Amino acid sequence: DIQMTQSPSLLSASVGDRVTINCKASQNINKYLNWYQQKLGEAPKLLIYNTNNLQTGIPSRFSGSGSGTDYTLTISSLQPEDFGTYFCFQHNSWPYTFGAGTKLELK
Amino acid sequence: QVQLKESGPGLVQPSETLSLTCTVSGFSLTSNSVHWVRQPPGKGLEWMGIIRSGGSTDYNSALKSRLSISRDTSKSQVFLKMNSLQTEDTAIYYCTRGVAPYYWGQGVMVTVSS
Repeated sequence: DIQMTQSPSLLSASVGDRVTINCKASQNINKYLNWYQQKLGEAPKLLIYNTNNLQTGIPSRFSGSGSGTDYTLTISSLQPEDFGTYFCFQHNSWPYTFGAGTKLELK
Repeated sequence: QVQLKESGPGLVQPSETLSLTCTVSGFSLTSNSVHWVRQPPGKGLEWMGIIRSGGSTDYNSALKSRLSISRDTSKSQVFLKMNSLQTEDTAIYYCTRGVAPYYWGQGVMVTVSS
């Protein structure tokens, strides 16, 4: 199975900051990497699919990059509504797997 | 519009079998995949398995021996059955649609306790 190592697990930041969250796969996942945002009490929401494609309706301050085993989610200027938990997800190989999550909190 | 809604018992006894139903609308099960994902309280997401448009399935390796996903296309329903439940199976269970999860249901909380 492919293991997804997400870092950091906790990120403290301020409104306006640029933040990055990383995900490392245990093997090449050919850019089949999605990013989800989850707020307390809600289902996850898809932000970015296949590494760098912004889902419809998601603000352009969110972006994704990467290849091979290393992937990054970047928020260019943090907004108050961006706080929550972020998960990466690989759908290159069965079984699919999630990263453990990054909790983004207000500094 | 696309909707998914999970239903099932809120409480299950240890060692018993969990049966959940995902009722969908706004799309056809014969053209779309449905995944099950769970989340223990305060913890991360765990991908459980998928039933594809053609009816084939794949499962999380750690759950494969206990888990079964099936469907009734005429009723637009997908079913999850998992046996030998333990307290660590306490979680919110979500059904989701997409090649990778995109549309999500609201989730159903399942507690395993005697």
